[in-house]
Amino acid sequence: DTAVSQTPKYLVTQMGNDKSIKCEQNLGHDTMYWYKQDSKKFLKIMFSYNNKELIINETVPNRFSPKSPDKAHLNLHINSLELGDSAVYFCASSWRDEQYFGPGTRLTVT
Amino acid sequence: AQSVAQPEDQVNVAEGNPLTVKCTYSVSGNPYLFWYVQYPNRGLQFLLKYITGDNLVKGSYGFEAEFNKSQTSFHLKKPSALVSDSALYFCAVSGLWDHTGKLIFGQGTTLQVKP
Repeated sequence: DTAVSQTPKYLVTQMGNDKSIKCEQNLGHDTMYWYKQDSKKFLKIMFSYNNKELIINETVPNRFSPKSPDKAHLNLHINSLELGDSAVYFCASSWRDEQYFGPGTRLTVT
Repeated sequence: AQSVAQPEDQVNVAEGNPLTVKCTYSVSGNPYLFWYVQYPNRGLQFLLKYITGDNLVKGSYGFEAEFNKSQTSFHLKKPSALVSDSALYFCAVSGLWDHTGKLIFGQGTTLQVKP
């Protein structure tokens, strides 16, 4: 059973489009996160939800909007995609101190 | 500001030799320290953590890490490297400065183990 899953795994789109990435966890965790890994492999927190409530909103452009319909799901919607949005986006969930990561979504904006 | 540094972009070691991947941190207060590993085209996997207690922490796949408060370091070690240990390793810190549990990652160190 996959603990943290993301769809799609790959996403290729053109500048200006709007796209969504979905994340689901079946671990029963209350807290979920979105991280961005850039081309140099650097990982940075973007957002976090705890039980459907936004608790972290780092300095991310407001073109990025997370949504948590329930505590098992955390989706990421991106408007007006730019070249610089190309990256791997990781979803994670946590229980106490440990975070469990999804396989990542590689977004390529052309 | 809280930060983590991994001073080496890459560490090369021969199979069977001991390995060390370095990490230093800067936080206010007591840190929670973590090591994660990322295999190619995969998500991150938790290796080990230090919260409190013994400074030597044992984790998955034979890895261990030593917390050194005076040197603000948390180096990852393994007595005998395997080719399959080749991957990207991240040190991370979380703490009580907020209650979100967010991880602040180092830049990552690529470990290459050669047969």
